[in-house]
Amino acid sequence: DGGITQSPKYLFRKEGQNVTLSCEQNLNHDAMYWYRQDPGQGLRLIYYSQIVNDFQKGDIAEGYSVSREKKESFPLTVTSAQKNPTAFYLCASTTSGGQETQYFGPGTRLLVL
Amino acid sequence: GQNIDQPTEMTATEGAIVQINCTYQTSGFNGLFWYQQHAGEAPTFLSYNVLDGLEEKGRFSSFLSRSKGYSYLLLKELQMKDSASYLCAGPMDSNYQLIWGAGTKLIIKP
Repeated sequence: DGGITQSPKYLFRKEGQNVTLSCEQNLNHDAMYWYRQDPGQGLRLIYYSQIVNDFQKGDIAEGYSVSREKKESFPLTVTSAQKNPTAFYLCASTTSGGQETQYFGPGTRLLVL
Repeated sequence: GQNIDQPTEMTATEGAIVQINCTYQTSGFNGLFWYQQHAGEAPTFLSYNVLDGLEEKGRFSSFLSRSKGYSYLLLKELQMKDSASYLCAGPMDSNYQLIWGAGTKLIIKP
């Protein structure tokens, strides 16, 4: 079955540590997105990528980095510069752009030790 | 900047009808999405209105008025499993982003 997978489901980060969240899709979608969701707030865009080897910053990119070396994969690294990383992280993809339905992975909940 | 507003929380009774409203600034948006999100899970697509009017899909209907910057999601014959947050989102016509509302938490009581 086609879909989007994210791993791990839960992730714990220590102070000063970088952690990487995985996002893989087998839907043959060109565009992929990373969102952060905090309680009582809407989804906020961290980074998005419309095509392999290209990505753009969203509204809250500071403290995060991404890569898009393969069409299927769009990993997100939460760096030590992100001082408040505790949140629910969602990866999504669309065929080609923002005016299309976004399909989401199951999410990764990041907690700080 | 662009904003989308929706009520924070609503309560309804099982078997009843509920309407969840969403308002947005009219410039730059090209239609409106509705997603359902159960607690701790990812959002799932419900509807996308690009033209004015009402679209019906079983128990769920969605309405859009582009001139008024207004949309609503209508849920009929409410079931306990409809307890979730409902997110509206508008695609910007100038880039590949969606602008998301904060979501409306719908509580269904027996």
